[in-house]
Amino acid sequence: DQQVKQNSPSLSVQEGRISILNCDYTNSMFDYFLWYKKYPAEGPTFLISISSIKDKNEDGRFTVFLNKSAKHLSLHIVPSQPGDSAVYFCAARSGSGNTGKLIFGQGTTLQVKP
Amino acid sequence: DADVTQTPRNRITKTGKRIMLECSQTKGHDRMYWYRQDPGLGLRLIYYSFDVKDINKGEISDGYSVSRQAQAKFSLSLESAIPNQTALYFCATSDPRGYAGGSNEQFFGPGTRLTVL
Repeated sequence: DQQVKQNSPSLSVQEGRISILNCDYTNSMFDYFLWYKKYPAEGPTFLISISSIKDKNEDGRFTVFLNKSAKHLSLHIVPSQPGDSAVYFCAARSGSGNTGKLIFGQGTTLQVKP
Repeated sequence: DADVTQTPRNRITKTGKRIMLECSQTKGHDRMYWYRQDPGLGLRLIYYSFDVKDINKGEISDGYSVSRQAQAKFSLSLESAIPNQTALYFCATSDPRGYAGGSNEQFFGPGTRLTVL
């Protein structure tokens, strides 16, 4: 049973345009949501996070939106750059106790075309 | 210099062999994790450790074992490798102090690509 789902395996956008990556979850007890970026032959690197008590968090070109009623979050990249081409994973943190465990989605491969 | 290192980076082995993947970190974090990545499945947690004396199973621990030799070292063993353990394996660390008021982000190593024939 996949608690965190990224239903789009891939996304292609033109340089300079907006990239929107989506993520759905089922467990209302998640207290933090994180986005990771992964280049080939490297480990995932942390990109941005949002607390479940907020609906938006922005860091430069990256903004994450959280819609708790819909159990949906999205990552917006504006403007998109060719260097943003990578696999993006969303992850949710279980809030039950001080465990800090993350549950990851399947990943979305973003291609930004010059 | 890499904060989280994994050895080997690539390994090809045969069914039934015992394999050990090693992870070392210089971040001083107490928490360490092992994940595997499979196409279409994302990253799944195998084992995690919150300190040297604490080992916990993740969602897919069957067929694996771990050892936390020191705060900085966490190794993953496949006692008798099988082909469906072919995957990309990642070690990660986190700082529990990041939990309160923070997202407790995890820091990943570069990965080990394991192929079991």
